[in-house]
Amino acid sequence: ETGVTQTPRHLVMGMTNKKSLKCEQHLGHNAMYWYKQSAKKPLELMFVYNFKEQTENNSVPSRFSPECPNSSHLFLHLHTLQPEDSALYLCASSQVGTAQETQYFGPGTRLLVL
Amino acid sequence: QKEVEQNSGPLSVPEGAIASLNCTYSDRGSQSFFWYRQYSGKSPELIMSIYSNGDKEDGRFTAQLNKASQYVSLLIRDSQPSDSATYLCAVRGASYDKVIFGPGTSLSVIP
Repeated sequence: ETGVTQTPRHLVMGMTNKKSLKCEQHLGHNAMYWYKQSAKKPLELMFVYNFKEQTENNSVPSRFSPECPNSSHLFLHLHTLQPEDSALYLCASSQVGTAQETQYFGPGTRLLVL
Repeated sequence: QKEVEQNSGPLSVPEGAIASLNCTYSDRGSQSFFWYRQYSGKSPELIMSIYSNGDKEDGRFTAQLNKASQYVSLLIRDSQPSDSATYLCAVRGASYDKVIFGPGTSLSVIP
């Protein structure tokens, strides 16, 4: 099983739908992250979970709701999204606590909001 | 001031040439520096990390770090068309759980 997996890989949803993105890491890491990447824009950090506790929420609208039931799984619940939320959503994991810590990314979920 | 800055490009180099990618950062307490490569439509993949001043070589890639100048670069020797991608510079500051990514530099290697 590859290090960080994400499902689904592609998602099309209407503005009134509710959907969830799933991320699973198989690397034994203790931190997980959600990033948003829009076309021609840099990676935007959305949420950080460190030892299952949310340590960062970068002013993300409440229509995005993260959940981290354990250190291997991370979800992003979506509801009443807007077309401008269409983007590539990337999950990453890392082992926090060393300066050499590196983030490993999943393949991403390509989201289109109609 | 943006925390991590890169020239957006596109940077075009002929096949076989050296591609030089640059990154500056604002947090003087930064300790860890990473270069990621991202192909169009794909997720970023780590290609180099560097933690101390000087050069670090891995195959055709060399990362260079100068903490006094708050500058990190990536050199790609013998550039290949397959190197065409966006290169992201990432910097970890004093807080271990926060990595800041630059906007990326688009590299095009012309056959």
